Amino acid sequence: ETGVTQSPTHLIKTRGQQVTLRCSSQSGHNTVSWYQQALGQGPQFIFQYYREEENGRGNFPPRFSGLQFPNYSSELNVNALELDDSALYLCASSTRDRGNWGAFFGQGTRLTVV
Amino acid sequence: GENVEQHPSTLSVQEGDSAVIKCTYSDSASNYFPWYKQELGKRPQLIIDIRSNVGEKKDQRIAVTLNKTAKHFSLHITETQPEDSAVYFCAASRGAAGNKLTFGGGTRVLVKP
Repeated sequence: ETGVTQSPTHLIKTRGQQVTLRCSSQSGHNTVSWYQQALGQGPQFIFQYYREEENGRGNFPPRFSGLQFPNYSSELNVNALELDDSALYLCASSTRDRGNWGAFFGQGTRLTVV
Repeated sequence: GENVEQHPSTLSVQEGDSAVIKCTYSDSASNYFPWYKQELGKRPQLIIDIRSNVGEKKDQRIAVTLNKTAKHFSLHITETQPEDSAVYFCAASRGAAGNKLTFGGGTRVLVKP
């Protein structure tokens, strides 16, 4: 186990609705990244948070937004859900310490938009 | 931005044989190259990683090699076992900048007993 936990594990939403996904990072990690993994594909980088600030964003529209809290946990919010948003959403925690660059994933939230 | 290509997309090997997965990347500034194993319905699991100042790294039956000049890196699994069956992803990042990983498309490995 990685110590990275996500909630909920599964979610079904209707097109147009909004959703919030949550991630608790591994102890000692100050960086959280979010990824979208469509079926049969590799994870795609959405954005990253470092010390509560967004630190880089992938090719995702502004309706994907996030937060990081003082305890380094994080939320991913998606507004105006579209059918194509159906995917596995993964968060990964890491640290910027020079000795360790490994990113460790949570178990993911499976989002289905109908 | 970075682009990572991974080959082959599927790989079937006999138990005990070796498996090799190859990746190429485009961003010469990338300096960190992890490999993840993802079993069906589970999280990607970091199995080995390599930094650009190292050409090869081994951990028991798995090894990774890196050719920075050619911008490609490979995963080698020796003495494959049925539990090695999974999807394997390579990734690249500027590790010191915070690990924004760009993943390859994945290789589905099937180890036949």
